[in-house]
Amino acid sequence: DTEVTQTPKHLVMGMTNKKSLKCEQHMGHRAMYWYKQKAKKPPELMFVYSYEKLSINESVPSRFSPECPNSSLLNLHLHALQPEDSALYLCASTPGGGIYNEQFFGPGTRLTVL
Amino acid sequence: KNQVEQSPQSLIILEGKNCTLQCNYTVSPFSNLRWYKQDTGRGPVSLTIMTFSENTKSNGRYTATLDADTKQSSLHITASQLSDSASYICVVSDNAGNMLTFGGGTRLMVKP
Repeated sequence: DTEVTQTPKHLVMGMTNKKSLKCEQHMGHRAMYWYKQKAKKPPELMFVYSYEKLSINESVPSRFSPECPNSSLLNLHLHALQPEDSALYLCASTPGGGIYNEQFFGPGTRLTVL
Repeated sequence: KNQVEQSPQSLIILEGKNCTLQCNYTVSPFSNLRWYKQDTGRGPVSLTIMTFSENTKSNGRYTATLDADTKQSSLHITASQLSDSASYICVVSDNAGNMLTFGGGTRLMVKP
């Protein structure tokens, strides 16, 4: 298995809803990432988990809450989002070290906040 | 501040033609440079990855070059196909390899 999977593919939620995005990889990678990407813009890093511990939080609002239950799984819990949070949310993973530390991206979850 | 700049922002070419996309970076310390292809609404897919000691790398009709002295890279697409229509993103990694600096991307449209 050489891919990163994300569910759901699309999500529409209201500002009072609580939802979660899920990311999974079975490549044995030790670092996992959440990115947010607005239309026609490059991805913006949100969180980095390294060996299941949160290592980087790029000043993301608390309405986004990451969770890494195990080395293969990464969740992003959403609560009280704003319409401007609508975007493509990308998950990525890397082996965790080495100069060829290539990031493998998932297909993304298209989130719409009403 | 680490920066990656790409040009042009957008490009339209006819099917079968060649094109070259440019990337200039000021990331330091430098680890590697990657080119990704991203279809609309999908995650980026890696095309090539090069370290400072590599000058050129090919992946089918895609050929990337790297000049670590001038901190420039290019992606050359040969005999373009309609399926090449996508955004092409240049990404530079720092020494740790975990922090990526993304370019703004070049949106390529290939027309029949």
